[in-house]
Amino acid sequence: EADIYQTPRYLVIGTGKKITLECSQTMGHDKMYWYQQDPGMELHLIHYSYGVNSTEKGDLSSESTVSRIRTEHFPLTLESARPSHTSQYLCASTGIAGEVQDTQYFGPGTRLTVL
Amino acid sequence: KNQVEQSPQSLIILEGKNCTLQCNYTVSPFSNLRWYKQDTGRGPVSLTIMTFSENTKSNGRYTATLDADTKQSSLHITASQLSDSASYICVVSDRGSTLGRLYFGRGTQLTVWP
Repeated sequence: EADIYQTPRYLVIGTGKKITLECSQTMGHDKMYWYQQDPGMELHLIHYSYGVNSTEKGDLSSESTVSRIRTEHFPLTLESARPSHTSQYLCASTGIAGEVQDTQYFGPGTRLTVL
Repeated sequence: KNQVEQSPQSLIILEGKNCTLQCNYTVSPFSNLRWYKQDTGRGPVSLTIMTFSENTKSNGRYTATLDADTKQSSLHITASQLSDSASYICVVSDRGSTLGRLYFGRGTQLTVWP
């Protein structure tokens, strides 16, 4: 099993709250990703990072922001949560250059519910 | 438009039976195709990965095939077990470099009954 962790696993909050979803990996991976997944739907890339101080927006427009101050840590923040943000958020990382085929290793996910 | 389509959307089989899941893609240029298993409430875990030159790859009771000409892949599960109940996701990459873009299918939800 991959050494990539997400906290919290489940979160129920009220509208307007600021939240931060944590993601950490201990594999020394340079590249990290955040995906959003709704039931029965495909994963959508919302943010990615290719290294420290590097962050980019993904394909799916998101009101969240990310930071990459340390290699192992890639938190996602919602300044003001809304019911439309209710979803499963998956963090992933990819091995260093040279690792076969850049397989993404996923964390267990955070199930966010905004009331 | 680059897409990955999976079928069936859901499947129920009895324990011990075999099954085959399908994946059709229009991603171009093609780099590689992965099958992931996602248990309920968990993140996806890689099962197999195939490049353009490979047409079969096995991982225990899982066997994936790839036909790059017809842009089709299948995942065959042999002698199913209750623990095989999960969503199986087909993922296609359009480049082999570190900038490779991934295209995800919606998954096939497999349920194995005792």
